[in-house]
Parts: sequence; structure tokens; C-alpha cells
Amino acid sequence: DIVLTQSPGTLALSPGEGATLSCRASQRVSTDYLAWYQQKRGQAPRLLVYGPAYRATGVPDRFTGSGSGTDFTLTISRLEPEDYAVYYCQQYGNKPWTFGQGTKVEPK
Amino acid sequence: EVQLAESGGGLVEPGGSLRLSCTASGFDFKTYGMNWVRHTPGKGLECVSSITSRSSNIFYGASVRGRFTISRDNDKNSLYLQMNSLRADDTGIYYCARSFNWDSPFDNWGQGTLVTVSS
Repeated sequence: DIVLTQSPGTLALSPGEGATLSCRASQRVSTDYLAWYQQKRGQAPRLLVYGPAYRATGVPDRFTGSGSGTDFTLTISRLEPEDYAVYYCQQYGNKPWTFGQGTKVEPK
Repeated sequence: EVQLAESGGGLVEPGGSLRLSCTASGFDFKTYGMNWVRHTPGKGLECVSSITSRSSNIFYGASVRGRFTISRDNDKNSLYLQMNSLRADDTGIYYCARSFNWDSPFDNWGQGTLVTVSS
């Protein structure tokens, strides 16, 4: 199974700051099929970006996905108050599909 | 609007069974793959089982293979997960999630249903 390791575990930021979240795979992700999800407390995960640089419908352009092979990044250019959440990466190119353990973005 | 609504969760003793349901609306259910994903304290998010649009391909995670059975009824716009021989580490929130095809991200999720396995 592909193990996804996310870093950092927690990111403390103020609104307006930029955020860089990392997802590293234990082996190459087939066809760069890597997605990022946002989950707020008490809510279901929400697809943000996939493939790894396509934004899902309705996702603001301050969210940008990048990377290939084993190293992927989610960048939030200017943090808005509604962006405080846990972010998960997922690879969907190799069965079983696997998720990272999450990065929590919290207020500074 | 795409909507997915899970039901059937609850408290069950170890070794017991539960059947989860997911009712879909707002899209052509029979053309999409569907998935069950759980969020557990021990493993975080885990894809438990997946099924293609016409049930031709089915996947089970290693931790549930032989105990859980996924199925769907396209006439009823419904997805199911029969869970047998439940264990304490099956405790968590179970989500149904939609995917366009076998190798696609999960683009819509339900709100989840809580399964608690405890004596």
C-alpha cells in the first residue's frame, strides 16, 4: 500500500498569510492521481484539488495543487478565516486508495 | 444539487452486524462509482469499499475483506454496506462518497453515520 505522509502536522497562521502543505508518498503515485480534501469540524470532507492541479467546482483560486511522482503540495495563497480546517491528501491511482493523516491549519 | 444521505449507524456489540444505507439524489446515480470511507480514531480516513456504476468491479480494504459487503440498487438510487463480525476498531464515522469512475477522486460526500462497536 502507498503510505502518504503529510507535514507539518499543525500549521498556526493568521488570516492573509500563505500556507504550504506537503504530502509525500512512499512510492510513485500512478498518473499523479493525487487529491486534496478540506474537512471542517463536524462536516464531511470536501474535494479541493485533484490530478494534482485541477480545482474542484467552486473552489477559490487561492487553493493551488502541485507536484508529481512522490512529492505533492497544496498552497493556500492568502488564508481566509473559513480556511481553518484539517487538510488531507489522497492517492487514487493505486489500489487501495489511501489518505494521509492530515494537516491541521489553525489560528495563530 | 448533489445529496448523499447515510443511515443505519448505531451502537452494536462486538461480533454483531449493521447495514448502512446511502440514498442519493440530484444526479444520475447509475452512472457513478460509489464508495464507503470511514474515519476512525486509529487509522484516520480509510477507503473501506468501492463499487463501479454497474457493480462490475468491487474493492474491499484488507481490514474489512470477508466481513463487509458493498452493494447498490440503481433503481432505488441507493448504496449499501453490510457489516458483519464487527470489531471495536470498526468504530468510526462512515461516509458514502461519489466518484466519476474507478480512478477518480471522491467529489461529493454525505454527512456520515456513526458506528460504535462496544459491549
